[in-house]
Amino acid sequence: DAGVIQSPRHEVTEMGQEVTLRCKPISGHDYLFWYRQTMMRGLELLIYFNNNVPIDDSGMPEDRFSAKMPNASFSTLKIQPSEPRDSAVYFCASSLGGAGAQNTEAFFGQGTRLTVV
Amino acid sequence: KNQVEQSPQSLIILEGKNCTLQCNYTVSPFSNLRWYKQDTGRGPVSLTIMTFSENTKSNGRYTATLDADTKQSSLHITASQLSDSASYICVVSRSGNTGKLIFGQGTTLQVKP
Repeated sequence: DAGVIQSPRHEVTEMGQEVTLRCKPISGHDYLFWYRQTMMRGLELLIYFNNNVPIDDSGMPEDRFSAKMPNASFSTLKIQPSEPRDSAVYFCASSLGGAGAQNTEAFFGQGTRLTVV
Repeated sequence: KNQVEQSPQSLIILEGKNCTLQCNYTVSPFSNLRWYKQDTGRGPVSLTIMTFSENTKSNGRYTATLDADTKQSSLHITASQLSDSASYICVVSRSGNTGKLIFGQGTTLQVKP
């Protein structure tokens, strides 16, 4: 398996524009996570899905953020409208089993570096 | 409050030397503790996962220890290499099949020749 695949790797957009980040999890994994990483706050969980269903979106900062998982092999994170403070690296991760399960390893993608100017 | 604190924030060592990174947590109820390595510009990669009953786990030159009583963990790197330069993140999860991983801020390690 090629691992978790994210696209694009880099995105530069103007404030107010819509941004869509994409993720393909590892085949067979039933959990998918979206994280945001900044220097100030480190890694933060935004939302996670179990079997394509959103379980916890309490980390989504505002209504401008939305995430979908239409099938087991694809998820999107959308920001509309984008703002400069959304600039960060966004990671997608997948795992077989939830974080609380014993010895469940989460595999991260390479991330999307988003810059909003 | 569920927190994970790491120290030091950054560390510089010479190639070939050993080092130890620390992690203290207040997460409860505890399920497991993970150490991740994150190279610049890449996603985190798991080094070790330890449950409550495990005191030590090794992955090559990396050895993690866990003291569940004092809620402390350490990551020891032996005979460091230039490729060990990265951020090392301690992550703790709570019991129950949830998606909540609680991340430390990481220790940035720089190995110099």
